[in-house]
Amino acid sequence: NAGVTQTPKFRILKIGQSMTLQCTQDMNHNYMYWYRQDPGMGLKLIYYSVGAGITDKGEVPNGYNVSRSTTEDFPLRLELAAPSQTSVYFCASRPGQVENQPQHFGDGTRLSIL
Amino acid sequence: GNSVTQMEGPVTLSEEAFLTINCTYTATGYPSLFWYVQYPGEGLQLLLKATKADDKGSNKGFEATYRKETTSFHLEKGSVQVSDSAVYFCALSIRMGRGGSEKLVFGKGTKLTVNP
Repeated sequence: NAGVTQTPKFRILKIGQSMTLQCTQDMNHNYMYWYRQDPGMGLKLIYYSVGAGITDKGEVPNGYNVSRSTTEDFPLRLELAAPSQTSVYFCASRPGQVENQPQHFGDGTRLSIL
Repeated sequence: GNSVTQMEGPVTLSEEAFLTINCTYTATGYPSLFWYVQYPGEGLQLLLKATKADDKGSNKGFEATYRKETTSFHLEKGSVQVSDSAVYFCALSIRMGRGGSEKLVFGKGTKLTVNP
């Protein structure tokens, strides 16, 4: 009963370092999403994917990249970490082609850039 | 544009008190509306939803009614418990261009603390 699994849970990076946030889901959902949550703010969409091999930008894509080689996995890459990317990152998924289905969220990755 | 405004927190209540968290939205068309809850250290979980005007979503004693005339989706619970302490997010769902996917637009969240 895993759902959406994100790793790592916490990470501290130095400015300019790179890293990949991992996200995997076992529900065979077509649609997957990456959000960031800043203190006192709602979630902002970074990137999303409607299926393997298809990705698109959300509201705040600058500084991030994604790939979707399989239905299960949707990693988020930070190439040159900046302090403005300090945030909590959430991955979510939902079934495709069916309207009004809720998104299922992982527990998040708390990332600090120092 | 599409946006969600929910009441500023934090909200502190005593156990068994009545809860209202206001949420209003701006959207083109007729979005679906959601309330998500985030417990400490966890991701968001769907609390309830409503997909058309006058629909009432309900779950775990929480209720919200989709009011098109006032563009509102206020969350209510008659008697809160300590275990309801969490951050509550109102959200609307809008369609995006590619593949018919939907995007969630979130409010800023309202932190609720319930004291024994």
